[in-house]
Amino acid sequence: KAGVTQTPRYLIKTRGQQVTLSCSPISGHRSVSWYQQTPGQGLQFLFEYFSETQRNKGNFPGRFSGRQFSNSRSEMNVSTLELGDSALYLCASSLARAHYGYTFGSGTRLTVV
Amino acid sequence: ILNVEQSPQSLHVQEGDSTNFTCSFPSSNFYALHWYRWETAKSPEALFVMTLNGDEKKKGRISATLNTKEGYSYLYIKGSQPEDSATYLCAPYSGTYKYIFGTGTRLKVLA
Repeated sequence: KAGVTQTPRYLIKTRGQQVTLSCSPISGHRSVSWYQQTPGQGLQFLFEYFSETQRNKGNFPGRFSGRQFSNSRSEMNVSTLELGDSALYLCASSLARAHYGYTFGSGTRLTVV
Repeated sequence: ILNVEQSPQSLHVQEGDSTNFTCSFPSSNFYALHWYRWETAKSPEALFVMTLNGDEKKKGRISATLNTKEGYSYLYIKGSQPEDSATYLCAPYSGTYKYIFGTGTRLKVLA
C-alpha cells in the first residue's frame, strides 16, 4: 500500500513569504500529525488532526496553521516566513488511536532565504 | 510528558559489538512508548510499540525493555552491523494526541 506522501520534497522561499505543505496519509489513517526538525533539535510537535479537527497543538506561533480535509489529506501553512523556519517538516499518519504509532512521510525540506 | 532524555547523544561502535541506549521519561501519565529508527535521507521507521511495565520486544538483533514505574526504556543491539547506523528515537505517549520525541541517539557502526 502507498505510504505517507509529502509534497513538495524541497522548497526555497524568501523571508516574509508564505508556504503551504501537503501531506497525504496512508489509506485508512485518519490521524495526521506534523513535526518540525531543526539542526540540534528533536522532532518538535506542531499539531495533530483527526476527522478535520485539530486535537492538539504544539508551542508554535500563530503563523503556523494547518487543516485536514474530508479525505484525511492535510496541509500545513506558514505565513510571514522567518529564517528560523528553515527546517525539515515531517508529516505522520496513524490509525484513529494515535498510540498505535506513526508512519512518517519523507518530509519537506524548507529553506528560507 | 514534557521531558524526554536519550543517552548517549552519539555512539561509535565497531562492527560486531553489542550496544545499548537509554530513554528516560516522566513516569506519570504514561500510556505507551515508541522506538523509531531514522536513517539518513529516509523517514523515521517504527521499531517497537511498548505499553506495559516489564514489556520486552525483539526484532532480529534489536530488542527493547520498558520500566514505566521508574520511567526508562533500554534499546539493545546485538552484534551491530553497518546497516544499523541510524538515529534511534524514543517517543512516549501520554494520551494527549501527541508524542514527545527525544533528541535521539546517533549510532555509527564502523566496518
